[in-house]
Amino acid sequence: DTEVTQTPKHLVMGMTNKKSLKCEQHMGHRAMYWYKQKAKKPPELMFVYSYEKLSINESVPSRFSPECPNSSLLNLHLHALQPEDSALYLCASSQTPAQGPQETQYFGPGTRLLVL
Amino acid sequence: RKEVEQDPGPFNVPEGATVAFNCTYSNSASQSFFWYRQDCRKEPKLLMSVYSSGNEDGRFTAQLNRASQYISLLIRDSKLSDSATYLCVVRTGGGNKLTFGTGTQLKVEL
Repeated sequence: DTEVTQTPKHLVMGMTNKKSLKCEQHMGHRAMYWYKQKAKKPPELMFVYSYEKLSINESVPSRFSPECPNSSLLNLHLHALQPEDSALYLCASSQTPAQGPQETQYFGPGTRLLVL
Repeated sequence: RKEVEQDPGPFNVPEGATVAFNCTYSNSASQSFFWYRQDCRKEPKLLMSVYSSGNEDGRFTAQLNRASQYISLLIRDSKLSDSATYLCVVRTGGGNKLTFGTGTQLKVEL
């Protein structure tokens, strides 16, 4: 079962709001990822957690704050976002951080975020 | 030059047609290659890995040409349900980062 779940499915927030996106996987994967995807563009990597530690931050603005409470959960805390942050936010996981040649990432359904 | 390049399409083909997508990558150190499929407003889903010797999964055939840094996906006997965007994905090195092409849109019509 290659299932990654994300909540909420949709989120509308104002620029002064604080909200959180949640991601969960029960596949025993030890690497988890946040991506941002704008319409008609490929996913862009934001953060990587390996064994619950932040290993990659792709120069993401501090208004996005990731958190990995345990090996199954990944959160993305949002604060003071801008309208241009509106996008599909995808969570993914993979078995290990140092991936074998054919190992890849499995995506959740995403949270569609609209910032007003 | 983009790291992974694809023709954005759209490719409009009739049901039953054979269609091929191409992808080129710029980093010769790239080691792993994949095709993902993304339906409108959905997440990317792994379609197939691409092996050096080429591989087939039902109606789908993937090829890799390391010398030319070129990957292809062939879809035979297209179905309406094959309509989607096909993302060429490359991993360079043994790390976590995947590089996505911009995707090729396929529309299969009656």
